[in-house]
Amino acid sequence: EVKLLESGGGLVQPGGSLRLSCAASGFTFTDFYMSWIRQPPGKAPEWLGVIRNKANGYTTEYNPSVKGRFTISRDNTQNILYLQMNTLRAEDTAIYYCARFTTGYWYFDFWGPGTMVTVSS
Amino acid sequence: DIVLTQAPLSVSVTPGESASISCRSSKSLLSSKGITSLYWYLQKPGKSPQLLIYRMSNLASGVPDRFSGSGSETDFTLKISKVETEDVGVYYCAQFLEYPRTFGGGTKLELK
Repeated sequence: EVKLLESGGGLVQPGGSLRLSCAASGFTFTDFYMSWIRQPPGKAPEWLGVIRNKANGYTTEYNPSVKGRFTISRDNTQNILYLQMNTLRAEDTAIYYCARFTTGYWYFDFWGPGTMVTVSS
Repeated sequence: DIVLTQAPLSVSVTPGESASISCRSSKSLLSSKGITSLYWYLQKPGKSPQLLIYRMSNLASGVPDRFSGSGSETDFTLKISKVETEDVGVYYCAQFLEYPRTFGGGTKLELK
């Protein structure tokens, strides 16, 4: 059974940093693209970025809205996806989801339950 | 960025009746391989989004055939026939043709 479980969310002050983790299980982690997607309360999801699979060299793409502040990485020995977030702003307040992207049919097929990040003083 | 505009913002439906949701793209979502890269997700209250339709008109595994998707290169429709109580939530269209991936603003389906 495919499982994704995010952790690391919480309350952080503006200008601060936070690292989120997503533990993956039930599939061959290195075969899949993995993404972070966030959703501010009551708003639509926003794609943040992707880290490709082993076959594609684990390269990354980012949403320009967060490029330079957020970094996606993966630990392929422990099957963990990371999101390093720096210089956080109030508008970064959201639920953060990790999601698996299947390159077969080209969509997000599994999402974690999400972790809440609140940026406030 | 490709902008997806959904309408209406909300829809109220009597159980057993049909509902339609529109999604308009600022750019053609037809790829060079002939695939229309438009997807529909449903987010039930307190849950993560779940896939309903992929590549504009293909039903995802386990999704009831009450759901159907159609459209052109830029205009898309999700139809739900015989709405049931479990269909309540927010529906999002999304495009995975280009980076950044983008989602529509959402359409909330409620029951009368």
